[in-house]
Amino acid sequence: AQSVTQPDIHITVSEGASLELRCNYSYGATPYLFWYVQSPGQGLQLLLKYFSGDTLVQGIKGFEAEFKRSQSSFNLRKPSVHWSDAAEYFCAVFPGGGNKLTFGTGTQLKVEL
Amino acid sequence: NAGVTQTPKFRVLKTGQSMTLLCAQDMNHEYMYWYRQDPGMGLRLIHYSVGEGTTAKGEVPDGYNVSRLKKQNFLLGLESAAPSQTSVYFCASSSAGQGNYGYTFGSGTRLTVV
Repeated sequence: AQSVTQPDIHITVSEGASLELRCNYSYGATPYLFWYVQSPGQGLQLLLKYFSGDTLVQGIKGFEAEFKRSQSSFNLRKPSVHWSDAAEYFCAVFPGGGNKLTFGTGTQLKVEL
Repeated sequence: NAGVTQTPKFRVLKTGQSMTLLCAQDMNHEYMYWYRQDPGMGLRLIHYSVGEGTTAKGEVPDGYNVSRLKKQNFLLGLESAAPSQTSVYFCASSSAGQGNYGYTFGSGTRLTVV
């Protein structure tokens, strides 16, 4: 069965600093990969997704993620973090041909002003 | 454009009581899902449905039942609530064969069982 690991439970960055959130997956083939963001008291919003092709994908709110097959990783990045980016971020895996997303345990991002 | 609507948003139950959470989507999606979210555990799939009249168990189905009598609605029932079911519940939907485009989530139901 596929699995997703987000090794960082909490991350704190200063406003304006760069950000990288880690995500590793375990799956036999290349799955579909997603990043979601959850603001306090809200549902999950899709930031970006990867299916195939260019391994660097752009998403909303200035986020990007890079798929690295050799490392089974799909890390989320942002060059300059804004205070409004404070939220919880979830990486998710969708196996090709399947019908269920599997989520990581999430990374809580705190932004210091 | 409502998307996915969950009712109620908050509920407090006593141990042993029953309740039903309602999820409604207006996007004509085939697939619907119920997840629970607990601190440090991410989202775990309870039950899902790939079409009207069909349901299937997810990762943590015990203590829950579901029904999909209409395509747009997916109900999650707790027959006899337990404190371990205190959680935030999220409903999501996706298009058949296009789950690779991701899910649309509701805003959640915060349930406390005392």
